[in-house]
Amino acid sequence: EADIYQTPRYLVIGTGKKITLECSQTMGHDKMYWYQQDPGMELHLIHYSYGVNSTEKGDLSSESTVSRIRTEHFPLTLESARPSHTSQYLCASNEGNQPQHFGDGTRLSIL
Amino acid sequence: GEDVEQSLFLSVREGDSSVINCTYTDSSSTYLYWYKQEPGAGLQLLTYIFSNMDMKQDQRLTVLLNKKDKHLSLRIADTQTGDSAIYFCASGNTPLVFGKGTRLSVIA
Repeated sequence: EADIYQTPRYLVIGTGKKITLECSQTMGHDKMYWYQQDPGMELHLIHYSYGVNSTEKGDLSSESTVSRIRTEHFPLTLESARPSHTSQYLCASNEGNQPQHFGDGTRLSIL
Repeated sequence: GEDVEQSLFLSVREGDSSVINCTYTDSSSTYLYWYKQEPGAGLQLLTYIFSNMDMKQDQRLTVLLNKKDKHLSLRIADTQTGDSAIYFCASGNTPLVFGKGTRLSVIA
């Protein structure tokens, strides 16, 4: 069983607020990923990282930013939340070519 | 860019076999994956197959890979209501490319 944790699990917040979604993994995986997914729909890769101090943009244009200062943490930040950011955000990690393991997700609602 | 295609819906009767199909374009994939997603949850790795294998069996799950046609399938034997979920096929290396998911509905 993979150990990857996302907090908060649910967040309801007003427009204009700064939000940070946390993702931590205890497996020492070098690669980490953030996906945006509307319920029951396809996944969109928004950011990924090959390791410490590495961040790459994914396929979906996003107003979010990420950082990778430590191997185990890959936080996602929205500087000013908007209703269009309402979605589920999934974090994943893996080592080399091994399978990606996913967290349970953060369901974000912007009012 | 690379692409993964899946049919969006499949409905089967409880006890029957389900077959979910996927085609992909990235011939450099080392592994190909099947993930399962239940409502409100993240993706759970169901099974995966090394690209030089044709078949992998794991209890009720059988994965078939036709590398020439770039076709991957997942067969679930004796499908149960608990198998109702969205199933995602994925290929590639880093980052993975996911299909849009096949919603499997199991009718009791």
